[in-house]
Amino acid sequence: DIQMTQSPSTLSASVGDRVTITCRASQSISSWLAWYQQRPGKAPKLLIYKASSLESGVPSRFSGSGSGTEFTLTIDSLQPDDFASYYCQQYNSYSYSFGQGTKLEIK
Amino acid sequence: QVTLKESGPALVRPTQTLTLTCTFSGFSLSTSGVRVNWIRQPPGKALEWLARIDWDGDKFYTTSLKTRLTISKDTSKNQVVLTMTNMDPVDTATYYCARTGITGTEFYSWGQGTLVTVSS
Repeated sequence: DIQMTQSPSTLSASVGDRVTITCRASQSISSWLAWYQQRPGKAPKLLIYKASSLESGVPSRFSGSGSGTEFTLTIDSLQPDDFASYYCQQYNSYSYSFGQGTKLEIK
Repeated sequence: QVTLKESGPALVRPTQTLTLTCTFSGFSLSTSGVRVNWIRQPPGKALEWLARIDWDGDKFYTTSLKTRLTISKDTSKNQVVLTMTNMDPVDTATYYCARTGITGTEFYSWGQGTLVTVSS
């Protein structure tokens, strides 16, 4: 099974900052990587799929990059609504797995 | 508009079998390319994919729980059912159903989740 390692686990930032979250796969997953935002008590929300494709309705300040085993989620100009938890998720050979999550906190 | 909603017991005793139902609208599980999944999240922990069922009846399970899980569909009722046997307190979690997106590799629409507590 493919393991996803996400870093950092916690990130403190201010409104207006640019932040980057990294996800590493234990083996190559091509570009089959998605990113989600989750607020407390809510279901995850898809932000990015296929490593860099922005889901419809998601603000353009969110972007994704990477392929193979290294991936990043970047949020430009943080807004108050962005302080939440973020998860990466991979797909390979009819199986899926998630990273352990990054909690984005207000500094 | 795609919607999904999970239902099932809030409390399950250890060793019992859990049965969860996902009732959806806005799509049909008989349409080519449609796939529905179950995903869970223990309190304060990460997400874990459990199982997937496809429009053509194909089924896939996470390796670690394969022997305990069964996923099935009732196309006429727009429902997907997950059973998990031999429940343990470590299975306490919010259980979500979710539909995969156009590539089949991401979860683009989720239910609200249902919290299942395993306790005697």
